[in-house]
Amino acid sequence: DIQMTQSPSSLSASVGDRVTITCRASQSISTYLSWYHQKPGKAPKLLIYAVSNLQSGVPSRFSGSGSGTDFTLTISSLQPEDFATYYCQQSYNAPLTFGGGTKVEIK
Amino acid sequence: EVQLVESGGGLVQPGGSLRLSCEASGFTFSSFWMHWVRQAPGKGLVWVSRIKSDGTSISYADTVKGRFTISRDNAKSTLYLQMNSLRAEDTAVYYCAREVTNSGSYPFDYWGQGTLVTVSS
Repeated sequence: DIQMTQSPSSLSASVGDRVTITCRASQSISTYLSWYHQKPGKAPKLLIYAVSNLQSGVPSRFSGSGSGTDFTLTISSLQPEDFATYYCQQSYNAPLTFGGGTKVEIK
Repeated sequence: EVQLVESGGGLVQPGGSLRLSCEASGFTFSSFWMHWVRQAPGKGLVWVSRIKSDGTSISYADTVKGRFTISRDNAKSTLYLQMNSLRAEDTAVYYCAREVTNSGSYPFDYWGQGTLVTVSS
């Protein structure tokens, strides 16, 4: 199985900060990498797919990059509605796997 | 508007069974792969199973293989998850999710609201 390791597991940031979350796969997953965020009590929401493609309706302050095994989600200017838990996910092969999550909290 | 609505969750004793349903609307259900993903209380997301649009290809996580069965009824636009031999560690919110086709990475673009399964005596 492909393991997805996210870091950090949590972070504190202020509105307007630039935030970066990393995700490392245990083997190459090409571009089969997506990012989601989830707010308490809600279903996850797709932010980015195929490493760097912004899902329709997602603000442009979100961006993704990387290739092979190392990937990054960046929020250029953190907004109040961005405080949530973020997950990466590989769909290169089954079993599909998610990272452990990064909780972004208000400083 | 795309909607996925899960139902069938509840409290069940260890060793018991439960069938979850996910009713889809607002899109051509028979054209999409569908998935189940679960989340134990306070924990992260865990993929459970997937089924191809026509039901001919199915995969499971090792933790549920042999106990859970995914299926679909395209005429009813409904996805199912039959869960047998339930264990305490199966306690979670179960989400159904739609897989995007032709996206380059097969992400899940729509999710249901989730249904809670609690396995306890």
